[in-house]
Amino acid sequence: GEDVEQSLFLSVREGDSSVINCTYTDSSSTYLYWYKQEPGAGLQLLTYIFSNMDMKQDQRLTVLLNKKDKHLSLRIADTQTGDSAIYFCAEKGGSQGNLIFGKGTKLSVKP
Amino acid sequence: GAGVSQSPSNKVTEKGKDVELRCDPISGHTALYWYRQSLGQGLEFLIYFQGNSAPDKSGLPSDRFSAERTGGSVSTLTIQRTQQEDSAVYLCASSLSRDTDTQYFGPGTRLTVL
Repeated sequence: GEDVEQSLFLSVREGDSSVINCTYTDSSSTYLYWYKQEPGAGLQLLTYIFSNMDMKQDQRLTVLLNKKDKHLSLRIADTQTGDSAIYFCAEKGGSQGNLIFGKGTKLSVKP
Repeated sequence: GAGVSQSPSNKVTEKGKDVELRCDPISGHTALYWYRQSLGQGLEFLIYFQGNSAPDKSGLPSDRFSAERTGGSVSTLTIQRTQQEDSAVYLCASSLSRDTDTQYFGPGTRLTVL
């Protein structure tokens, strides 16, 4: 069945790069997304990538997609304390256009 | 412009009571989704509306859950005879269309059933 997996925790020092990894199972997914959730808040769209792309860069964010291995990663350059949050990987793979989410990776940034 | 709004932001209710959760999507977005976020289950999809129509209600957790959308805009999710396992954050999202457009999420309604 459809499944999206991510590691649960990542801790980095301020100024370092963070890399959050995700694997998905539905090879027919057309779009893959990264959402950010801060405590007590909803999901904020960070970026997305279309399945025919390998890479997308948006300011400090770089998304890499390896379609053969069904692996998606999000790199945050120069990580700041304000980047501390839970990051969700999602594929648009549901039969009703719904998103299928991973469990989320909690990023902690130490000063 | 305004994003997706949801009300109430927090709801505490007693077991057995009915609750109504409201979602106001971004103007012009025809697709509307409800998701539930709980500690044990992560983020799970509940129901999708295209306009006022929900073609498949099989994602709703039980027959105590129902949803409607009127005027192609506001949607309400109703939970009857609430149970403690219904405690979760209920998130609504909307998009211009189902297949190609990004879903934008509201802030959620945190439901606590005592």
